[in-house]
Amino acid sequence: GQQVMQIPQYQHVQEGEDFTTYCNSSTTLSNIQWYKQRPGGHPVFLIQLVKSGEVKKQKRLTFQFGEAKKNSSLHITATQTTDVGTYFCPYNAGNMLTFGGGTRLMVKP
Amino acid sequence: DAGITQSPRHKVTETGTPVTLRCHQTENHRYMYWYRQDPGHGLRLIHYSYGVKDTDKGEVSDGYSVSRSKTEDFLLTLESATSSQTSVYFCAISVGGQGDQPQHFGDGTRLSIL
Repeated sequence: GQQVMQIPQYQHVQEGEDFTTYCNSSTTLSNIQWYKQRPGGHPVFLIQLVKSGEVKKQKRLTFQFGEAKKNSSLHITATQTTDVGTYFCPYNAGNMLTFGGGTRLMVKP
Repeated sequence: DAGITQSPRHKVTETGTPVTLRCHQTENHRYMYWYRQDPGHGLRLIHYSYGVKDTDKGEVSDGYSVSRSKTEDFLLTLESATSSQTSVYFCAISVGGQGDQPQHFGDGTRLSIL
């Protein structure tokens, strides 16, 4: 089925380094949502982007939605150990979300 | 957090036994979902509901059934559990009244089938 491809699958960074994960779709998206799941926890909704070219910030996290609404990115500035977890950008099929494997971020202190 | 309660939180049972997981919400949201999460597979949708007695299949529905007789409760049943159904199960609700709105998740049920 349709899905959003996310890269990378895994990323190790040193604490203080920046991190970016990318989501790409072959079709135009109505919106894109981002979720974070800490190890042993449940997914937590972070943000929803709706408009072409939209950029939103949450403290050290910057979310972008591409001009063609086919891609999105999450950038974390100066990672901290609290950023550890898996980040998802599921495909929104209208009534349901299709989650891929996400990007697992590991931060070395 | 969005008033979602999953029960039980942990369960160990034997192959061939029936198992029912419950998801309870306190905010009358229309859409409710059941996912399973396994290492290397991310979250996979099992079934979802868009209202009382209105349900539909997800990506991995074989071996599972659901029921929603009240807005607040969404039940997931494994009629005859198999070891391949050992997993972490998450319930979620879609806030905002539409299925494409952000989802809030319960804490999960860790199910082990021996």
